[in-house]
Amino acid sequence: SYVLTQPPSLSVAPGQTARITCGGNNIGSKSVHWYQQKPGQAPVLVVYDDSDRPSGIPERFSGSNSGNTATLTISRVEAGDEADYYCQVWDSSSDHVVFGGGTKLTVL
Amino acid sequence: QVQLQESGPGLVKPSETLSLTCTVSGGSISSYYWRWIRQPPGKGLECIGYIYYSGSTNYNPSLKSRVTISVDTSKNQFSLKLSSVTAADTAVYYCARGAVSQYMDVWGKGTTVTVSS
Repeated sequence: SYVLTQPPSLSVAPGQTARITCGGNNIGSKSVHWYQQKPGQAPVLVVYDDSDRPSGIPERFSGSNSGNTATLTISRVEAGDEADYYCQVWDSSSDHVVFGGGTKLTVL
Repeated sequence: QVQLQESGPGLVKPSETLSLTCTVSGGSISSYYWRWIRQPPGKGLECIGYIYYSGSTNYNPSLKSRVTISVDTSKNQFSLKLSSVTAADTAVYYCARGAVSQYMDVWGKGTTVTVSS
């Protein structure tokens, strides 16, 4: 089955840029989606189809995908961005949705 | 806008069947993929499976022998049954709407299910 690998944690100072990676075999050939989950809340879609943003998501959130790595970039990080972030793809060979293990973003 | 709400028992005994229902409001259940996802305490997200509004299903291989997802279009609801539960099935269970590209754009708030005698 397809495996997505994320760093368990990332710490960034306010105002800086956070880059959260998601590794997978030839992930560049798949559409990658990203979710933000704050404690006690349901996940929220922040980027879909590699780099598109749902309505209401700030432009500070952006995504890219190439080769074996997809990246969620959060510019000008704010305290409110502190959350767990999950990447997700659809594995067409098995028709299954796969999530990465999640990255806990801490704003220093 | 579309909203999802999970409902069902919060406590299930070991070896029994967990049953949850997701009610879709503010929109039709027709079209889209309707998914169940769970999150054990302190852990990541796990997709249980989906049902397409037409009734076709697909389940996580690790759970396939115990899972049934069904849809009732007349009530705008879809449901999850997970049989022979153990403590390992203790989790927050979410229902979500899946788009064609297989991302989940609408989520329920989640419901906590504890498996314990």
